[in-house]
Amino acid sequence: AQKVTQAQTEISVVEKEDVTLDCVYETRDTTYYLFWYKQPPSGELVFLIRRNSFDEQNEISGRYSWNFQKSTSSFNFTITASQVVDSAVYFCALSGTNAGKSTFGDGTTLTVKP
Amino acid sequence: DTAVSQTPKYLVTQMGNDKSIKCEQNLGHDTMYWYKQDSKKFLKIMFSYNNKELIINETVPNRFSPKSPDKAHLNLHINSLELGDSAVYFCASGRGERDNEQFFGPGTRLTVL
Repeated sequence: AQKVTQAQTEISVVEKEDVTLDCVYETRDTTYYLFWYKQPPSGELVFLIRRNSFDEQNEISGRYSWNFQKSTSSFNFTITASQVVDSAVYFCALSGTNAGKSTFGDGTTLTVKP
Repeated sequence: DTAVSQTPKYLVTQMGNDKSIKCEQNLGHDTMYWYKQDSKKFLKIMFSYNNKELIINETVPNRFSPKSPDKAHLNLHINSLELGDSAVYFCASGRGERDNEQFFGPGTRLTVL
């Protein structure tokens, strides 16, 4: 069975602060894929990043960075110098042996205040 | 061009009614999904279809019946609507392989009165 835990239900920061969203996963698969999605207040879900289980390199995209650590089964997401537009619900997801099915975490609601 | 579209965007109806939500994708994907997002924002997969065949059914009540006339469409029909069915329903599509991200529709907000 797969499981994704996003322990932080809600996070509130002030603009320009750095913030890290935690994601811990459980799977028995040796090959699996991890994803982050963003759901802004407008409601649509947008794909942000994918990482496979064999690639532990961290990734940076502008103010966004992701830290994948197999040893702790974590795939954390950091936003540097947060902005109000970063306010959204962020979902971490895991895809394993069952092709086509992703298990989503419960989401973390990030509020960035001006 | 809209990649994944859903209609209607909002649906308000009475308990006991039957309603349908339509979904279409123009991305050429083989796999389509229905998700339910409740008031707490929890996102749960309901169904997955690959090339018009059901591959995932996550213990959804029989009142929910997906129909896939072709691989670009996956409609959701709900019979005898209940108050607890109120939620936002998202359609998504993907290439179906486990390393592929999913593309989501805009969602349909269903309110059952």
